[in-house]
Amino acid sequence: GAVVSQHPSWVICKSGTSVKIECRSLDFQATTMFWYRQFPKQSLMLMATSNEGSKATYEQGVEKDKFLINHASLTLSTLTVTSAHPEDSSFYICSASGDRVSYEQYFGPGTRLTVT
Amino acid sequence: AQSVTQLGSHVSVSEGALVLLRCNYSSSVPPYLFWYVQYPNQGLQLLLKYTSAATLVKGINGFEAEFKKSETSFHLTKPSAHMSDAAEYFCAVRNSGNTPLVFGKGTRLSVIA
Repeated sequence: GAVVSQHPSWVICKSGTSVKIECRSLDFQATTMFWYRQFPKQSLMLMATSNEGSKATYEQGVEKDKFLINHASLTLSTLTVTSAHPEDSSFYICSASGDRVSYEQYFGPGTRLTVT
Repeated sequence: AQSVTQLGSHVSVSEGALVLLRCNYSSSVPPYLFWYVQYPNQGLQLLLKYTSAATLVKGINGFEAEFKKSETSFHLTKPSAHMSDAAEYFCAVRNSGNTPLVFGKGTRLSVIA
C-alpha cells in the first residue's frame, strides 16, 4: 500500500514551452503533497507544499509563477513548469502524506526533465 | 527549525566491512527520523524510520540505525557491506503533522571489491 505514481517518468521539451508533471496517490488520500527537485549529485530541495483545495506554499527562492502547483483532489497534484529553460532541467520528485500514519511521506519515482 | 547534517559526502568501504554513515539532527521537538537510499536515476527507497518507539531501528537489506537523543544522532550501520549497497544515502527529519521532510546533503557509499 501507500503507492505514489508520477507521470511522465521522463520528458524532454524545448526551451520556452511548458511541461506538466502529475503526481498521484494510488491507494490513499493525500491531504498534503510536497514537491522536491534534485540536481545531479545533490540532495532533495523542497520546492513547495500543497494541501488539497488550497494554494501551495512555496519555499523561499522558488518562483510560484514559474512552477505552478495544483492540488485539486485528494489523489492528484500537478506541477507545471512554465516557459521552461535549460536551467530547469532537473529531477522532480513528489511525495504525499495523508490519511495514514501522520509521520509518513510516500515518494513517487521521480520525473526527469530535460529542457533543450 | 529542523536540520540534518550528514558527515562525509563520500564513504568508501571494502566488501564485507562495516558500513557507518553518520547523521546528526537538529529539532525543537521530538523528531521522526528516516534513512533513504537512492540508486542512480531512481527515486528514493525507505530504509528505516525512527518514530519514538525503540531507539534501535532495523530496516531493510540488513541496515539498522540507533537514535541517540543525547548526541542528537541517528547513524546508519550495516555489519557487512555488499557491492549492491553502493548508492546515495539520505538522512531526513520531520516533525509530526504535515511538515515536510528535511534532507541532509547525502552520503555516497562506494563498496570496493
